[in-house]
Amino acid sequence: GQQVMQIPQYQHVQEGEDFTTYCNSSTTLSNIQWYKQRPGGHPVFLIQLVKSGEVKKQKRLTFQFGEAKKNSSLHITATQTTDVGTYFCAGQGAQKLVFGQGTRLTINP
Amino acid sequence: GAVVSQHPSWVICKSGTSVKIECRSLDFQATTMFWYRQFPKQSLMLMATSNEGSKATYEQGVEKDKFLINHASLTLSTLTVTSAHPEDSSFYICSARGLAGGTHEQFFGPGTRLTVL
Repeated sequence: GQQVMQIPQYQHVQEGEDFTTYCNSSTTLSNIQWYKQRPGGHPVFLIQLVKSGEVKKQKRLTFQFGEAKKNSSLHITATQTTDVGTYFCAGQGAQKLVFGQGTRLTINP
Repeated sequence: GAVVSQHPSWVICKSGTSVKIECRSLDFQATTMFWYRQFPKQSLMLMATSNEGSKATYEQGVEKDKFLINHASLTLSTLTVTSAHPEDSSFYICSARGLAGGTHEQFFGPGTRLTVL
């Protein structure tokens, strides 16, 4: 079945450093979504990418969707303590949304 | 954005009892609702998909007789964990997809933390 792999599992950075998490699907996706979950909270929708090669920016966050629509990345520039949390990608297949394992980001102030 | 609520936000029950969790879309009609389970420090695992007025579709390995799902209206879905055991303790999250937002965007509820003693 459809699988979505996400790396790294954990990332610890100094405040101000950049951070990137990568997502790879075993199948071609109709779209990919990114979510952020703060400790103790629920996933919050960040963005959806639909087009091949699409790049979207939200302030310090840059999201990319691969040309083959099978991989994606989220890059945060100059992290801040408010960026702490777990970032999940979720790939939309034919029938359902499959979540990656998530990347837990911790930041040293 | 669209709002999805869940009730209760947390529940503690004794082993062998049943627990019902409600998921409501507050400002849109949810044609499809999804139920996920998340164990500590793990990802969200889809349990089942329910469409209003029809039987839920369960993922492989999820017991439909243990996790009863009812989607009686376009704004309400319920998950009942029957004869709960300690291994059922988890964070249960629903999401809803409907006419609001994009075609595939799902709006997540705040989750229900279940602890079975």
